[in-house]
Amino acid sequence: LQLQESGPGLVKPSETLSLTCTVSGGSITSSSYYWGWIRQPPGKGLEWIGSMFYSGNTYYNPSLKSRVTISVDTSKNQFSLHLTSVTAADTAVYYCARPFDDNWGQGTLVTVSS
Amino acid sequence: QAVVTQEPSLTVSPGGTVTLTCGSSTGAVTSGHYPYWFQQKPGQAPRTLIYEATKKHSWTPARFSGSLLGGQAALTLSGAQPEDEAEYYCLLSYSGVRVFGGGTKLTVL
Repeated sequence: LQLQESGPGLVKPSETLSLTCTVSGGSITSSSYYWGWIRQPPGKGLEWIGSMFYSGNTYYNPSLKSRVTISVDTSKNQFSLHLTSVTAADTAVYYCARPFDDNWGQGTLVTVSS
Repeated sequence: QAVVTQEPSLTVSPGGTVTLTCGSSTGAVTSGHYPYWFQQKPGQAPRTLIYEATKKHSWTPARFSGSLLGGQAALTLSGAQPEDEAEYYCLLSYSGVRVFGGGTKLTVL
């Protein structure tokens, strides 16, 4: 199984950060374990953004919940992250993952700057 | 939101044993928190070492083990190797909402 994040590396303040995680080597619908988005600001620790099960249940970090949406496109074997109204504090390396069996994307740096 | 606590830093001698702990501001950590442990080296994505408190896959070195100990989740490293020097994070689930600890920087020296 391989996961790959894609999306803009630079987002302007107040705009929406959108990232996609493409899953290859397996079906996004085949797992009973969750898929998640995690981020890491430069020089800081990991932060859980949210997770989803194929069944449709999603769970979000309460501190981000008002700005975050995680969705799935089974036809493309992808799941996506949308984070609205970004500020410089949202600058981080963003990872998609299925932590249960150690499947992680390589991470993508998103910088919020004008 | 719950706060998950870890030791900021620990040092272990090569070949030695060290236990990292993971606590919760809401009370005792139980199997219902589905504790995970991750290892992260500089410039790399995290690696999953332990899931559901004690379980591990074939790729996790045998010297790592997970447990629930005294109301906390614990990660024990027995026989530390230089390559074990890394940041270690625990992750707890609160009815599906997950929270990372702040991480423990482990030095093998």
